[in-house]
Amino acid sequence: EDKVVQSPLSLVVHEGDTVTLNCSYEVTNFRSLLWYKQEKKAPTFLFMLTSSGIEKKSGRLSSILDKKELSSILNITATQTGDSAIYLCAVDRDDKIIFGKGTRLHILP
Amino acid sequence: GAVVSQHPSRVICKSGTSVKIECRSLDFQATTMFWYRQFPKQSLMLMATSNEGSKATYEQGVEKDKFLINHASLTLSTLTVTSAHPEDSSFYICSARVATSGLDTQYFGPGTRLTVL
Repeated sequence: EDKVVQSPLSLVVHEGDTVTLNCSYEVTNFRSLLWYKQEKKAPTFLFMLTSSGIEKKSGRLSSILDKKELSSILNITATQTGDSAIYLCAVDRDDKIIFGKGTRLHILP
Repeated sequence: GAVVSQHPSRVICKSGTSVKIECRSLDFQATTMFWYRQFPKQSLMLMATSNEGSKATYEQGVEKDKFLINHASLTLSTLTVTSAHPEDSSFYICSARVATSGLDTQYFGPGTRLTVL
């Protein structure tokens, strides 16, 4: 059965800390791995990863995929209170998207 | 636990026909379900919020007469795309919200890929 598991489920850190969010998957016909940030309404797209070992960066956020380990990490450096959100990992296998349950990140001022 | 299913997973239809997509929470009751449409570059657009027993709340720019939403029970919401056209071809995803210990968590379905010929 296809599944996407995120850890930790929730995380509380202080502003300025660096956090690493994990996503592991067992999915057949893998096409890509997606990271989203969800605050109020629709999840905001962050990254799409298809190739192993190539880091994608956007400001203080970065992510990398390890196809051998069937996992991905999302790093956020110098966290800010605005980074507080639920971070979703999803794996696209073309005929369906399988979402993880998310990591709830809370940044304390 | 907290599994959300969608049916069908893939549908191909002719222009002008209507298509119904079901979203079910399999092992929990969801008072609120959300319908999203996935656009190129993987962005998700919230179309509407569906509350059991009441009318859905549509986001600005979403035609309520074209995208009919019915939330008949605490485990089922349906999205009907009426008189579908090729520009409606997309990936439609639902999610169900469950409140646990005061924290709202959304669980996403696997999506339905609609192709309108």
